[in-house]
Amino acid sequence: QKEVEQNSGPLSVPEGAIASLNCTYSDRGSQSFFWYRQYSGKSPELIMSIYSNGDKEDGRFTAQLNKASQYVSLLIRDSQPSDSATYLCAVNVRGNQFYFGTGTSLTVIP
Amino acid sequence: SAVISQKPSRDICQRGTSLTIQCQVDSQVTMMFWYRQQPGQSLTLIATANQGSEATYESGFVIDKFPISRPNLTFSTLTVSNMSPEDSSIYLCSVGPTGRDPYGYTFGSGTRLTVV
Repeated sequence: QKEVEQNSGPLSVPEGAIASLNCTYSDRGSQSFFWYRQYSGKSPELIMSIYSNGDKEDGRFTAQLNKASQYVSLLIRDSQPSDSATYLCAVNVRGNQFYFGTGTSLTVIP
Repeated sequence: SAVISQKPSRDICQRGTSLTIQCQVDSQVTMMFWYRQQPGQSLTLIATANQGSEATYESGFVIDKFPISRPNLTFSTLTVSNMSPEDSSIYLCSVGPTGRDPYGYTFGSGTRLTVV
């Protein structure tokens, strides 16, 4: 079983819709969870971090964490074509050891 | 967040040769990390580079193949040695939390390596 699993997609949503990206992880001791956005040919860019159960909102982005279900998600409201990218879920297992999911490719259709 | 300059941005190398990738950070950081991202794959941690001590390598990566230097708190290099086509990948350096961004991990722009 992989440490972090994501649906690779591709996920396509129309402009203005809500995009929902999901991630599950295997290590119950994980404490920190991150979402990165990676445009094609570019390096990953941190967009959200979440550490406690519940929702965390930042502009159009909402991260949701459920440690009991070992599940973390990212919602993008009012999706824009510029949101089209691959979204990587990262989990901090211990110390500075991160595990990354394989990423979900999102396309926002104008 | 920290600003990281990574070079070269890309290179095409002959098999059997070595390439050294440099990573310069605009602030002092305790830990620097080197990742590999193979085509269509996610990021895999190669090693953690701490200033003043030997790098810590992850399973499947060895110092002879990926020697790392960390001469000060703002700079690190990763060398890919005796390259083969299987080493073709994007290599990324990353830094951990800084005083300006206590929770963020920032990546350099990456080095796209092609081995022929």
